[in-house]
Amino acid sequence: GAVVSQHPSRVICKSGTSVKIECRSLDFQATTMFWYRQFPKQSLMLMATSNEGSKATYEQGVEKDKFLINHASLTLSTLTVTSAHPEDSSFYICSYAYNRASFYNEQFFGPGTRLTVL
Amino acid sequence: KQEVTQIPAALSVPEGENLVLNCSFTDSAIYNLQWFRQDPGKGLTSLLLIQSSQREQTSGRLNASLDKSSGRSTLYIAASQPGDSATYLCAVQERDDKIIFGKGTRLHILP
Repeated sequence: GAVVSQHPSRVICKSGTSVKIECRSLDFQATTMFWYRQFPKQSLMLMATSNEGSKATYEQGVEKDKFLINHASLTLSTLTVTSAHPEDSSFYICSYAYNRASFYNEQFFGPGTRLTVL
Repeated sequence: KQEVTQIPAALSVPEGENLVLNCSFTDSAIYNLQWFRQDPGKGLTSLLLIQSSQREQTSGRLNASLDKSSGRSTLYIAASQPGDSATYLCAVQERDDKIIFGKGTRLHILP
């Protein structure tokens, strides 16, 4: 399967600072990518969807001005948590997907980033 | 190394039937197990989360069970509907946050 990397794997920051998380697909060019987050003892939840050449579409309850998504290229996307607060502490995961018969819309997930806001 | 397998890879059943999707994992030291559905071109939608200490979870027509010792989980869908057609993914999460996904079962409910 395809390889997706995320950086950093863990980050601790002070409240009020901004944090950028990078997501890269290493061996294929994706048309669609997704950002998810997981709060403690909860399931992974979709935050936003980003299609090539379009602005990200955010799920209900996710503030687009707080979680800035830049789908810079077909292999790089960034999620910036602006003015982070302790309630933003979560596990963030990205995934890439593309519709092709052999993959049937399969998603390839990054290893995740654990964000802790003090 | 944890591996998650879902069987069958694809399934077609007539509307109204009850059905079971299977998920197996190789390392029983998991933190939780999650079931998701994926519609074409969309992100994952969380269906059920089972903590490692739990045996099952229910939501509407869905029931998921977990048997850690045998490395198995099932997703039971009652009275299937055409709207249930989607790909269903099983994922296990380990204590270091790592999430390992199965390849999914593509479900088609025939009207």
